[in-house]
Amino acid sequence: EAGVTQFPSHSVIEKGQTVTLRCDPISGHDNLYWYRRVMGKEIKFLLHFVKESKQDESGMPNNRFLAERTGGTYSTLKVQPAELEDSGVYFCASSQDRGREQFFGPGTRLTVL
Amino acid sequence: AQSVTQPDIHITVSEGASLELRCNYSYGATPYLFWYVQSPGQGLQLLLKYFSGDTLVQGIKGFEAEFKRSQSSFNLRKPSVHWSDAAEYFCAVPDNYGQNFVFGPGTRLSVLP
Repeated sequence: EAGVTQFPSHSVIEKGQTVTLRCDPISGHDNLYWYRRVMGKEIKFLLHFVKESKQDESGMPNNRFLAERTGGTYSTLKVQPAELEDSGVYFCASSQDRGREQFFGPGTRLTVL
Repeated sequence: AQSVTQPDIHITVSEGASLELRCNYSYGATPYLFWYVQSPGQGLQLLLKYFSGDTLVQGIKGFEAEFKRSQSSFNLRKPSVHWSDAAEYFCAVPDNYGQNFVFGPGTRLSVLP
């Protein structure tokens, strides 16, 4: 069974540019989560999808961040325009049941210069 | 809101020595509890989890953890550390609504030869 995959593994962009991160969850997992770890800080929740619907987006930092999950399969997280403080590692996770084990992807390291 | 503390930011042990990483949580009821590990350049991998029942749980790579309700703790242990255990370890609990995870700040483990 394939795990959670994320693309790209690393992205370096300049301030003001746009970046789109992609996450492919484990097949059959309705729950998909995005988390972020800014350098030196804790891993923080961003948002949660159940199938194609946003269940909770209370962790999204501001309206420069837009997440979608087309057809309840893969998800994208777009940052537009990127700011320096957006640098960090963005993790995606999926699970079959809420509150149970979440399977994490390898993360996308975003560097904004 | 839930919170997780990991008092030790960085621990250094010699290879072959025993290890205990501390985790304390705040939660109204008995929570689900998780330990994840992030090796350099890798994503988060689940080490072990506690849902109910036996308070001593076994995980992968020879790790175990003990849930102590009276101390609100879920400490991770390993009797003999290997050099490959050098990584960052995270304790996590689901949030109030049992959806996204709340992570501790992580403990970085260094292993001396």
